[in-house]
Amino acid sequence: EPEVTQTPSHQVTQMGQEVILRCVPISNHLYFYWYRQILGQKVEFLVSFYNNEISEKSEIFDDQFSVERPDGSNFTLKIRSTKLEDSAMYFCASRTRDPGNTIYFGEGSWLTVV
Amino acid sequence: QKEVEQNSGPLSVPEGAIASLNCTYSDRGSQSFFWYRQYSGKSPELIMSIYSNGDKEDGRFTAQLNKASQYVSLLIRDSQPSDSATYLCAVLYNFNKFYFGSGTKLNVKP
Repeated sequence: EPEVTQTPSHQVTQMGQEVILRCVPISNHLYFYWYRQILGQKVEFLVSFYNNEISEKSEIFDDQFSVERPDGSNFTLKIRSTKLEDSAMYFCASRTRDPGNTIYFGEGSWLTVV
Repeated sequence: QKEVEQNSGPLSVPEGAIASLNCTYSDRGSQSFFWYRQYSGKSPELIMSIYSNGDKEDGRFTAQLNKASQYVSLLIRDSQPSDSATYLCAVLYNFNKFYFGSGTKLNVKP
């Protein structure tokens, strides 16, 4: 069964460093998402991406964050100058265009900022 | 921010009982509704989706949607200890954006 894959599964970084989280969405999907879940808290929407551009972003997704689809398969989330409060699980997700279809999540990238 | 509200729980039920999980949402423009299960440290996995008023059954799971009252619920029949997890309600808005509730933690006691 097709799945969303994410790398790395876990990354430890020093505060102030840049981090890139990578995702390979399901191949026929057109909408791509990044979500964040701080330990013990809810899944929070960061950004959605469609047709090679950001379609929507939350108030969390400030200038520190950026997304890119550098080729036909990868979808990346870059966090510049990481802060302690960026420590969280970051989930990539994707879905087809059909609004009746759900989003499918990757296994997540656990980011620890020290 | 569109609101999706869930009781955080924990909801404790004995094995074999029916577990009832509820969710309310704030935006009448919401189009589709989903229930996910999340085990600790894992990503959410889809249980069911529902778009029309009424009930939708899939095995031991039944989703119920009432758009007039803006609530969606999930019933789990014959609950098993393996059902112990956090259940997330998600709402699709504007054909693009999924909002998640904070989740209800379910404990099924053997």
